Amino acid sequence: LAKTTQPISMDSYEGQEVNITCSHNNIATNDYITWYQQFPSQGPRFIIQGYKTKVTNEVASLFIPADRKSSTLSLPRVSLSDTAVYYCLVGDGEDNNNDMRFGAGTRLTVKP
Amino acid sequence: NAGVTQTPKFQVLKTGQSMTLQCAQDMNHEYMSWYRQDPGMGLRLIHYSVGAGITDQGEVPNGYNVSRSTTEDFPLRLLSAAPSQTSVYFCASSPAGWNSYEQYFGPGTRLTVT
Repeated sequence: LAKTTQPISMDSYEGQEVNITCSHNNIATNDYITWYQQFPSQGPRFIIQGYKTKVTNEVASLFIPADRKSSTLSLPRVSLSDTAVYYCLVGDGEDNNNDMRFGAGTRLTVKP
Repeated sequence: NAGVTQTPKFQVLKTGQSMTLQCAQDMNHEYMSWYRQDPGMGLRLIHYSVGAGITDQGEVPNGYNVSRSTTEDFPLRLLSAAPSQTSVYFCASSPAGWNSYEQYFGPGTRLTVT
């Protein structure tokens, strides 16, 4: 089963760029990397997904090196409303089933 | 589209009682799943389904049953509630394609077992 490792928590200030790195050493060839955001008392919300190199949308960028053993979620110019838990997920590299496993995530606190 | 809906929003059960948490989606998604989230923890997968008539176990299936008779609905049954099942339960759905992991989550059901 593909595992991910993220920092437990991070602090930042409004207006700064935040980079959250996720390690996934046993990612499978066909696996995608997906990031979710969760606010208190809400379900997770999809942020971004990628396979290799760089993906950018209106919310974030995702950087994936050539070996794909890690990925970095980049949030430009964070605001107080970006305070949330961020989860990195990869597919199951062993048996190709369709389940998803969330880790503990990274708790980002944005300060004024 | 309503997206993913869950009922009830809150529920209190006594130990040993049974109940069904409802989940429905109107996006015609093939894949649906149930997670539980304990305070301060990440989500743990209970059961999932890759299509009507097909279900499988996740990380923590004990004490829960599921069925998928239609594409739209994926109910979760607690057979005999225990205090350890006190948690927030989230249902999610996503389009077909096993590499497509963009899941849409419902608002959750907060369950307390006394």
